Amino acid sequence: EIVMTQSPLSLPVTPGEPASISCKSSQSLLHTNGYNYLSWYLQKPGQSPHLLIYFGSSRASGVPDRFSGSGSGTDFTLKISRVEAEDVGVYYCMQARQTSITFGQGTRLDIK
Amino acid sequence: QLHLVQSGAEVKKPGSSVKVSCKASGGPFSSSGFTWVRQAPGQGLEWMGGIIPLLGTTNYAQRFQGRVTITADESTTTVYMELSSLRSDDTAVYYCARAGLVDREYVWFETWGQGTLVTVSS
Repeated sequence: EIVMTQSPLSLPVTPGEPASISCKSSQSLLHTNGYNYLSWYLQKPGQSPHLLIYFGSSRASGVPDRFSGSGSGTDFTLKISRVEAEDVGVYYCMQARQTSITFGQGTRLDIK
Repeated sequence: QLHLVQSGAEVKKPGSSVKVSCKASGGPFSSSGFTWVRQAPGQGLEWMGGIIPLLGTTNYAQRFQGRVTITADESTTTVYMELSSLRSDDTAVYYCARAGLVDREYVWFETWGQGTLVTVSS
């Protein structure tokens, strides 16, 4: 099973400031087709998770362009260029390179 | 756009089974992939397994093998997840999600249901 490790686990951010979350996998997520099977999700308080980024860096439909994903292989980063109040919640990375899909522990973003 | 609506909350006794439904509407069903993810109180997300109705294929996380069964009814565009031999630590919110597929592999989860709370208590 691929282990996903996120950091930090807690991230207090001032509105308007940038934020960055790291996600590291125990094995490479780069498929032979050239895509990284890594996606990012945000779970806002009291809601279901929703998709932000897939293939490591492709923004899902309707996701604001202040969200961006980068990385390849085993190291990935989610960046928010300017945090807004509506961005609070728990962020998860997920790998699908192996059939047994696994998530990171989650990073809680709060507003300072 | 595909919309997923799940069945309501359940309270079950230890050792019993629960079957949660997920009704899909507004988009393709048979060619889609559907997965189940659960979240224990205050905890993270855990993938349980999935199904591609068109192919009739299922995949299950190893830790749930033998206890979970995922099925699909194309006539009602509904996906089901049944979990047996329930224990107190199965208390969780269970989510269905439509998966983005690449070569019949689940790669991302693009649409999520509202979640179903299953409480296991004697």
